[in-house]
Amino acid sequence: DQQVKQNSPSLSVQEGRISILNCDYTNSMFDYFLWYKKYPAEGPTFLISISSIKDKNEDGRFTVFLNKSAKHLSLHIVPSQPGDSAVYFCAVPVGAPGGTSYGKLTFGQGTILTVHP
Amino acid sequence: EPEVTQTPSHQVTQMGQEVILRCVPISNHLYFYWYRQILGQKVEFLVSFYNNEISEKSEIFDDQFSVERPDGSNFTLKIRSTKLEDSAMYFCASSERRGVYQPQHFGDGTRLSIL
Repeated sequence: DQQVKQNSPSLSVQEGRISILNCDYTNSMFDYFLWYKKYPAEGPTFLISISSIKDKNEDGRFTVFLNKSAKHLSLHIVPSQPGDSAVYFCAVPVGAPGGTSYGKLTFGQGTILTVHP
Repeated sequence: EPEVTQTPSHQVTQMGQEVILRCVPISNHLYFYWYRQILGQKVEFLVSFYNNEISEKSEIFDDQFSVERPDGSNFTLKIRSTKLEDSAMYFCASSERRGVYQPQHFGDGTRLSIL
């Protein structure tokens, strides 16, 4: 099941610089995308989302960009802080065939972000 | 801020034994989910639950698995006869109302180790 792919297992960034995390998807019918952050020994925490009717959504230091033609989304963190060091997952709600989705999430493999002081 | 709580944080069980993982979803949430993450792999959907019945389940969720909401607050995942490959982090999640646009809130997980 490779509906959602994060091809970079890790990313290392200097504090204050921009972090860019990428995610690709295969199904052009997907209409909502989410980013979750996960610290060790904790569950995924919802970070930011975007609907397919938009190409950008911003929340403080976090901005998600959606390129529907390329089936690609990215998460920008500016400026990056050491506390942002975590695993970042993109996720897509996938509906049951022929029925209404109850929000089952399909996750990418995750990208480990390390922000150095 | 309300949160999803899971107990225990770590469960060690002999292969073939039954195990029950417990979750208390956020109180006004109506939709409940279980996911698991095997070490080094993706977070995978297991099952969703609404109105006291399973809404959807994955192919992982076979006859050895069951879910229950025994009272107004708890949501449990039972594995009847555990196998070595059931070793994973199990995450409970809940969301506020029906629809694909409600972010799910996750608990901190139960690490299940099968010996």
